[in-house]
Amino acid sequence: DTGVSQDPRHKITKRGQNVTFRCDPISEHNRLYWYRQTLGQGPEFLTYFQNEAQLEKSRLLSDRFSAERPKGSFSTLEIQRTEQGDSAMYLCASSLESPRGGQYFGPGTRLTVL
Amino acid sequence: QKEVEQDPGPLSVPEGAIVSLNCTYSNSAFQYFMWYRQYSRKGPELLMYTYSSGNKEDGRFTAQVDKSSKYISLFIRDSQPSDSATYLCAMTDNTDKLIFGTGTRLQVFP
Repeated sequence: DTGVSQDPRHKITKRGQNVTFRCDPISEHNRLYWYRQTLGQGPEFLTYFQNEAQLEKSRLLSDRFSAERPKGSFSTLEIQRTEQGDSAMYLCASSLESPRGGQYFGPGTRLTVL
Repeated sequence: QKEVEQDPGPLSVPEGAIVSLNCTYSNSAFQYFMWYRQYSRKGPELLMYTYSSGNKEDGRFTAQVDKSSKYISLFIRDSQPSDSATYLCAMTDNTDKLIFGTGTRLQVFP
């Protein structure tokens, strides 16, 4: 079973460094989402793609964050000049266009900024 | 006030008990309702998906949606220690942006 995969699973970095995460969605899913989850909270939407087009970005996605899905398959999320407040679990999900809301999540990348 | 409210728990029950988990919401535009299960340090796992009002049953799990009261529930029958996890409700309108509750931590003890 090829579910959503994310790499790396854990990342420890120093403040000010850049980090990049990768997400591979379920192969037949054309929609891909990024969420962020902090301890004791539910996931918060960051952005999503339909194929290679980025259709919506949250206000949470500051200028230091950029996401791409160049060929409509895998996606990358880059954080530039990391801050301690960026420490969180970054979750990727994928879905078909229908049914709306039926998103399947990967295991997440846990980021710790020192 | 958050769009989706969920009691964080923890909720501790004995094995075999019926568990009731609930969320309330404020946005009447929400039409699609989901329940996810999340084990510690893992990604959320989709358990139940419901469109609009009504009930849906899948094995030991039953999801209920009452749009008039803006209230959704998840019932777990014959709870097992392996059900111990955090349960997240999520919902959306006509967009693809899920709005999650904070999650309820459930502990089922033998």
